[in-house]
Amino acid sequence: NAGVTQTPKFRVLKTGQSMTLLCAQDMNHEYMYWYRQDPGMGLRLIHYSVGEGTTAKGEVPDGYNVSRLKKQNFLLGLESAAPSQTSVYFCASSRGETGTNQPQHFGDGTRLSIL
Amino acid sequence: GQNIDQPTEMTATEGAIVQINCTYQTSGFNGLFWYQQHAGEAPTFLSYNVLDGLEEKGRFSSFLSRSKGYSYLLLKELQMKDSASYLCAVLDSNYQLIWGAGTKLIIKP
Repeated sequence: NAGVTQTPKFRVLKTGQSMTLLCAQDMNHEYMYWYRQDPGMGLRLIHYSVGEGTTAKGEVPDGYNVSRLKKQNFLLGLESAAPSQTSVYFCASSRGETGTNQPQHFGDGTRLSIL
Repeated sequence: GQNIDQPTEMTATEGAIVQINCTYQTSGFNGLFWYQQHAGEAPTFLSYNVLDGLEEKGRFSSFLSRSKGYSYLLLKELQMKDSASYLCAVLDSNYQLIWGAGTKLIIKP
């Protein structure tokens, strides 16, 4: 019953370093999402994907890139990390367009600190 | 702009009832979700409302009034394990989820 798995769970980076956050889901969901969660703010959508090979920008895409080469995996990349990207990152997936009342299922999050 | 308002924090007593309110102003409406998030954990789905009225699911109920842009989550027979943040999220006209900042619920014995 893995659901949505994120790796790593914690990471500390120096400004300017790059890294990739991995997200894998075993529920055969079409839609996948990357959010960031900051204190006092709601979840903010970074990028999302409506199917294998597709990606789209969310509310706060600058400084991030994504890829969905396989249906079950959604990768989030930081090309040149900045302190403003210190946050908790959540990956989520859903069966289809959320308008059909399909809830999003979340991973446990990646806590990222940029020094 | 789009806006979702929830109280930042609420305190209630074990065994009691608490109502967490959510008001929203969004470009269009295609449904409202409530999620629960324990500290340091992932959000988990609680309820979905798209029509006006009350949806009951065990100890938790969710109410929606589209004309007032208002929803509430009602938690009955509070247990210590209900201490968590409760997130309200609205699906806008583009089927994007707009999230509130969440309400931290503290349960006291």
